[in-house]
Parts: sequence; structure tokens; C-alpha cells
Amino acid sequence: QSVLTQPPSASGTPGQRVTISCSGSSSNIGIKTVNWYQQLPGTAPKLLIYTTNQRPSGVPDRFSGSKSGTSASLAISGLQSEDEADYYCATWDDSLNAYVFGTGTKVTVI
Amino acid sequence: QVQLVESGGGLVQPGRSLRLSCAASGFSFSSYGMHWVRQAPGKGLEWVAIISYDGSNKYYTDSVKGRFTISRDNSKNTLYMQMNSLRGEDTAVYYCARGNNSPGYWGQGTLVAVSS
Repeated sequence: QSVLTQPPSASGTPGQRVTISCSGSSSNIGIKTVNWYQQLPGTAPKLLIYTTNQRPSGVPDRFSGSKSGTSASLAISGLQSEDEADYYCATWDDSLNAYVFGTGTKVTVI
Repeated sequence: QVQLVESGGGLVQPGRSLRLSCAASGFSFSSYGMHWVRQAPGKGLEWVAIISYDGSNKYYTDSVKGRFTISRDNSKNTLYMQMNSLRGEDTAVYYCARGNNSPGYWGQGTLVAVSS
């Protein structure tokens, strides 16, 4: 099982703000930056947020990341239908000497 | 543009071996660390291994240590994963991804199915 815990699902109506949490520990999120990935149905994952709160070129500013202690969050503001996807947090874990992914959150636009 | 193309997947019996390849283009392959990440059918992402830009450092997830070997040939711009003693739980889509610390740009994946 993953060392990073996310809620299995989240939902909202178009235009709403949705937040996804990612809970870790002192050996990962507590001391490392966090990345977020978006996986649209049937496609490969795409880097959405890197170094906790940075967006790669082309990612809309509706997506934002933050971190506090051993938890991180991804916020999607102005939710759109094309945001329906699975979202994963990830970071390096110093105790495991491994990169770890969160359990994943499926976002549904109602 | 950056391109990563995985190949070598397929159906294999338990206990057998398989070698995956990832052909890279559109960037300086020898300057980047590379990862393998897998995703079992209907499941989440699982990081498998990383190799440094020059091949001198390698790390693996516990479940594949001693069975899988990551390697690279910078002269051919290609990343490899030698998978031995395959098990049913290794069934997954295997993605290669570019990144010195974390996976950034991903390929489209190749399916490995382990079954008798």
C-alpha cells in the first residue's frame, strides 16, 4: 500500500473549486517537495505541478499546489469538464529510498 | 519535441524474462535521469526504478529488487528494463519517464501481461 494517502474521489460542478489532499510523513512530504500528476482516461500521466507549487508550461493557472507539514494539496478552481481525470501526488521518500505515488483521486465533474 | 517510445511488452509466462526498451529523442538523453513507472490494470501508479544520467546510480522499489535491472545506453539514446522471474503481480502498463529526481515527461507505455 502507498505511503501517501489521498481521498479516492472528489467532485464538483463546473466553475466550482475542488481540493485534493495528500497525506504523508516526515520521511517524504515533511522534507521533500511534492509533484502532482493528471491522468486523463486512457492516456499516460502528465506532470501537472512540480516542486510543490510550480506549473509546467501549458498548465492552466486554475491548478495550484501547496504544502503544510506532512500534507500537500492540489486545488482546481473554475472546474471544467475536461478536468475529469485521476490525480496523483508524488514525492521522494528518504526512508524507502524510493519515489512514491499517492493512492490517487478520481475527479468527477457533475 | 521530446519523445519517449516504449517497446518490448507482451504476454509472458510466470518465471520467464522480458526486456523493455524506451527510445528517447528530442532532448539530450545523456543529461537526464530516467524512470520506469508501472500501472496495473485499473490500479494506481507505482514507481519501479530510476537510473542517473550516467548510469552510475540506480534505485528500485522493494518488490522488484533482485529481479529487475534498469540500464541505459547513452550512445543509442535508449533506456532498458530487464525483468526476470516475472510474477502475475508484475502485470501492468510500463511507462518510461524523463527526470533527474522525479518523472517529468512520460512515454505512452507498453503492456506486460504475466500469465500461464
